[in-house]
Amino acid sequence: AQSVTQLGSHVSVSEGALVLLRCNYSSSVPPYLFWYVQYPNQGLQLLLKYTTGATLVKGINGFEAEFKKSETSFHLTKPSAHMSDAAEYFCAVSDKLGGGADGLTFGKGTHLIIQP
Amino acid sequence: EAGVAQSPRYKIIEKRQSVAFWCNPISGHATLYWYQQILGQGPKLLIQFQNNGVVDDSQLPKDRFSAERLKGVDSTLKIQPAKLEDSAVYLCASSFTSDGYTFGSGTRLTVV
Repeated sequence: AQSVTQLGSHVSVSEGALVLLRCNYSSSVPPYLFWYVQYPNQGLQLLLKYTTGATLVKGINGFEAEFKKSETSFHLTKPSAHMSDAAEYFCAVSDKLGGGADGLTFGKGTHLIIQP
Repeated sequence: EAGVAQSPRYKIIEKRQSVAFWCNPISGHATLYWYQQILGQGPKLLIQFQNNGVVDDSQLPKDRFSAERLKGVDSTLKIQPAKLEDSAVYLCASSFTSDGYTFGSGTRLTVV
């Protein structure tokens, strides 16, 4: 069974500083990997995804992530944090189990705090 | 395009009562998912439909939870009877392909 580990339930950075949110996964087959952002009382918004091809993936709002198979990692980065980036971030994996089952397995989430 | 619609947005019930949530996916999306998100945790898949058939319900507590998607479009998730630990946000998502999921805003259930 697949699983996702997000290191750090809370991450605090200063405005303008580098954002790094860590995600490691386990999967029995080449996975599809996702990062979602969730603002209070809202649903999940897709930031970016990796399916196949280029391992460096660019998403919305200046975020990007790199798929590293050897490290089973998919860390999320942003060069310069903005106050509006404060939210909950979730890493998720889908490894397309047999029979068409492709629901997502999520990590526990990382709460990103931006210090002014 | 219109997003995934869910209702109600909030629901408060007493334990042992029943409750139902409704989801209308994006038009043309054959696959529909229900997730449960307990406070402080990531969402957990409860059930996946492909059109009106169940693909995966391995994590659905079938003694109290049920879901249906009779015409392959709208879906309803029901809990009967509710327990305190069912307090959570219930998220519906739909997809056309396995790399494109769209989530609704969710229904926040409080069981007292």
